[in-house]
Amino acid sequence: EDKVVQSPLSLVVHEGDTVTLNCSYEVTNFRSLLWYKQEKKAPTFLFMLTSSGIEKKSGRLSSILDKKELFSILNITATQTGDSAVYLCAGSGNTGKLIFGQGTTLQVKP
Amino acid sequence: DTEVTQTPKHLVMGMTNKKSLKCEQHMGHRAMYWYKQKAKKPPELMFVYSYEKLSINESVPSRFSPECPNSSLLNLHLHALQPEDSALYLCASSQPGRRYQETQYFGPGTRLLVL
Repeated sequence: EDKVVQSPLSLVVHEGDTVTLNCSYEVTNFRSLLWYKQEKKAPTFLFMLTSSGIEKKSGRLSSILDKKELFSILNITATQTGDSAVYLCAGSGNTGKLIFGQGTTLQVKP
Repeated sequence: DTEVTQTPKHLVMGMTNKKSLKCEQHMGHRAMYWYKQKAKKPPELMFVYSYEKLSINESVPSRFSPECPNSSLLNLHLHALQPEDSALYLCASSQPGRRYQETQYFGPGTRLLVL
């Protein structure tokens, strides 16, 4: 059965800290790994990763995929209170379905 | 433009009511999705439409009835719902059939309360 596991489930840090969120996956006919940020409403797209070892960056956020170890990390440097959210990792196979992890709830304190 | 719109934003309905949720996208995407999300849980896939045809139904009860009138619109018809169906209903779209191009873009959701 396909599954995606995220860790930690919750995290509390202070502004300026760097955080690393983890995502491991087992997805049949794996094609891509996606990261989303969810605040009050809809998940907003952050990254899609398809190749191992190629880091994707957007401002203070970056992510990388290891297809050998079936693992991805999301890094956030110099965290701000606006980074407080649930971060969702999802694996995609060849069926069009996203297999979501449970999410990591990040709280950034001032 | 990566916008998916959903109406209404909030909906309160009784167990005997019939209502519909609407979703629209103008990104030219040919796959559209309905998800259900309960508090503190990840989204759960309900239905997938690909090229206006239902391609995945995740064993959803028949009180939920999807409809895809055209490539830009997706509806979810609700009838005789139960209180446990209260949740955030998310619509998403993507462009299928292109290698590695399965990024799904989500709408803001409809928060449904069934009394």
